[in-house]
Amino acid sequence: QVQLVQSGAEVKRPGASVKVSCKASGYIFTDNYIHWVRQAPGQGLEWMGWINPKSGATNYEQRFQGNVTMTRDTSISTAYMELNSLRSDDTAVYYCARDYSYGSNPGYWGQGTLVTVSS
Amino acid sequence: QSVLTQPPSASGTPGQRVTISCSGSSSNIGRNYVYWYQQFPGTAPKLLIYRNNERPSGVPDRFSGSKSGTSASLTISGLRSEDEADYYCAAWDDNLRGRLMFGGGTKLTVL
Repeated sequence: QVQLVQSGAEVKRPGASVKVSCKASGYIFTDNYIHWVRQAPGQGLEWMGWINPKSGATNYEQRFQGNVTMTRDTSISTAYMELNSLRSDDTAVYYCARDYSYGSNPGYWGQGTLVTVSS
Repeated sequence: QSVLTQPPSASGTPGQRVTISCSGSSSNIGRNYVYWYQQFPGTAPKLLIYRNNERPSGVPDRFSGSKSGTSASLTISGLRSEDEADYYCAAWDDNLRGRLMFGGGTKLTVL
C-alpha cells in the first residue's frame, strides 16, 4: 500500500530555512508526482507546488517562487521541500501527498510535519 | 481568500442528507475535475471523491459528488456522527501554468 512518511517537527527562528523530507513506499517512486500542501493553524489547505520525481521538474505556486525548493533522491524514494527566509506566518503543518493517478490531484497523504517559526 | 468558494459551515442531524457546495470559474471547475477531501482535527486529509463523482475503494456510498458548469457539490446521505469533520474541494486552475486550488473548507457539524 502507498505510504508517505515525513520527517519530524521542527522549530526555527525567523529568517532560517527548513527542509522537510517525505519517504515513499508501496509503489514505484518515479511513477507519480509529489505535491506539497501546507495548513496554518486553524486555516485551510494551501498548495505549494509539485515535483515530478522522474525528471526532477517542478511547478511552484507563484507566491512561493524564490522561497521554496522541491527536490528528490530517487535512490531512497524520498522527496524534499525546503523553505527559506522563514517568517512567523510560515508556521504550519506541511504535508507531502502523492497524486491519486498520474498527474491528478493528491490522493495519498503523509502524516504532516509541524514547522514552528518563533523567535 | 480562496478561488474556490465553500460555505464555512454546514450542519445536519443523524440520518439527514447534507450538501456542501463549491463554486469556481471557467479556468478551474469549468475545465477540470473536482476532488473532495475529508479532514479530522489533527490528521491528514483523506481523499473522498475524485474526478467529480468517483469514490476510492473504502469510501462509503453515502458520499457522492457532482459537478455542473463551474460549480460542484458533495452530498452526504444518511448522516452519521462520525461524519463531523472539515471538507475541502479542490481543482486545478489552468491560469498561470496550472495551480491546484483548494476551497476554504466547510466545517460539518452533526447535531
